[in-house]
Amino acid sequence: NAGVTQTPKFRVLKTGQSMTLLCAQDMNHEYMYWYRQDPGMGLRLIHYSVGEGTTAKGEVPDGYNVSRLKKQNFLLGLESAAPSQTSVYFCASRGLGTIDNGEQFFGPGTRLTVL
Amino acid sequence: GQNIDQPTEMTATEGAIVQINCTYQTSGFNGLFWYQQHAGEAPTFLSYNVLDGLEEKGRFSSFLSRSKGYSYLLLKELQMKDSASYLCAVPMDSNYQLIWGAGTKLIIKP
Repeated sequence: NAGVTQTPKFRVLKTGQSMTLLCAQDMNHEYMYWYRQDPGMGLRLIHYSVGEGTTAKGEVPDGYNVSRLKKQNFLLGLESAAPSQTSVYFCASRGLGTIDNGEQFFGPGTRLTVL
Repeated sequence: GQNIDQPTEMTATEGAIVQINCTYQTSGFNGLFWYQQHAGEAPTFLSYNVLDGLEEKGRFSSFLSRSKGYSYLLLKELQMKDSASYLCAVPMDSNYQLIWGAGTKLIIKP
C-alpha cells in the first residue's frame, strides 16, 4: 500500500497562475483533509471531505477550491495564486469509526512557492 | 473558544529525558493526539489519550489530565533522531476536524 500520496512535490508559480494539487489514498478512508503549514504556525485546515461528493470549509478556505469526485482522490485548486499562498500543503486521510481510530495519515507534502 | 498551547522550542541532551507539555481549552473533549514531524517531512502519529493517566510506548509516554486540560509527552533515553517537532492536537466537537498546536521543536545536543 502506498498510503497517502501527493503530486506534485514541488512547484513554483507566478502570481495569478492556477494549479491543482492531487491527493490520493489507497486505504479506503472516508475522510480527507487539506492543510497548509507555515513557519511558526500549526497545521491549518483549508478544506475537508467526509465522503465522496462532499466537501466543507475549514479554517482558511479563501482562495482555494476542492473536489472529491472519487473516494480515493481529493483535489485542491488555486484559481489565482497569490504570494500569501506560499506554503507547504499536506493532505491527510482518516478512516470511519470511533475517535480512537481517528488517526490521520499524512501525505509527504507539496512545497509551493508563489512569486 | 478552542485553543492549544505548547512551548515553541526545547533543547535536551542525548541520553536524557525531556517532557513536552500541552495545554488545551475545548468545549468538549474527545481525546488528545501527539504527532512527530521531522524537518521537511509529514507528521506521523505517536499516541492518543482519552482517559486520564500515563500510557507508555517504549521510550515514549503520554500523560493526560482532563480536569486540568493538560497533557505531556515524555521522551526517555533521547537519541539524535528524536530531534523533531512534536505536535499536540485535539478533535473539535464535530470529531471530523482536529485543532493543532503550533508544535514544539525539540533540539537534541550530543
